[in-house]
Amino acid sequence: NTVMTQSPTSMFISVGDRVTMNCKASQNVGTNVDWYQQKTGQSPKLLIYGASNRYTGVPDRFTGSGSGTDFTLTISNMQAEDLAVYYCLQYNYNPFTFGSGTKLEIK
Amino acid sequence: AVQLVESGGGLVQPKESLKISCAASGFTFSNAAMYWVRQAPGKGLEWVARIRTKPNNYATYYADSVKGRFTISRDDSKSMVYLQMDNLKTEDTAMYYCTAARRDWGQGVMVTVSS
Repeated sequence: NTVMTQSPTSMFISVGDRVTMNCKASQNVGTNVDWYQQKTGQSPKLLIYGASNRYTGVPDRFTGSGSGTDFTLTISNMQAEDLAVYYCLQYNYNPFTFGSGTKLEIK
Repeated sequence: AVQLVESGGGLVQPKESLKISCAASGFTFSNAAMYWVRQAPGKGLEWVARIRTKPNNYATYYADSVKGRFTISRDDSKSMVYLQMDNLKTEDTAMYYCTAARRDWGQGVMVTVSS
């Protein structure tokens, strides 16, 4: 199965920071990667699909990039409402697999 | 607006069965691949199962952890997707989310497996 390794596990950030988190696939998944945001007590929300396509209504401070095995989610100008856990998902191979998540916390 | 409403969760004993459901509305259900994703308490997301559309022969796929025990199905006439869970284990305890094409997600239904 394809393992998605996310890093870092957690980040302490300040409002206004530029935040970068990573996801590394154990094999080539092309650009078949989603990024999700999950706030405490809520269901996940799709942010990015196809590695770099922003989903409807997602603010443009969220940017996804990468292909092959290395993927990045960047939040420019971090807002308090962006505090959440972020997950990557590969959907190139069955079974689909999630990364273990990156938790953003206030510094 | 898209709505996905899960139901049927609850407390069951190990080795028992349970069937959870997801009612969809607000989009063309028959055109959407449907998924179940779960999250154990305090843990990350785990993809569970997927069912494709009629043109794709309703093909189904499962995580290794549930293969042979869980069955995903759909009823396009009712805009419903189901997850039949047999031989449940304590490690199946989780919030189960239904998602349409990975875009829209329900609020989840809790399944607890405990003696």
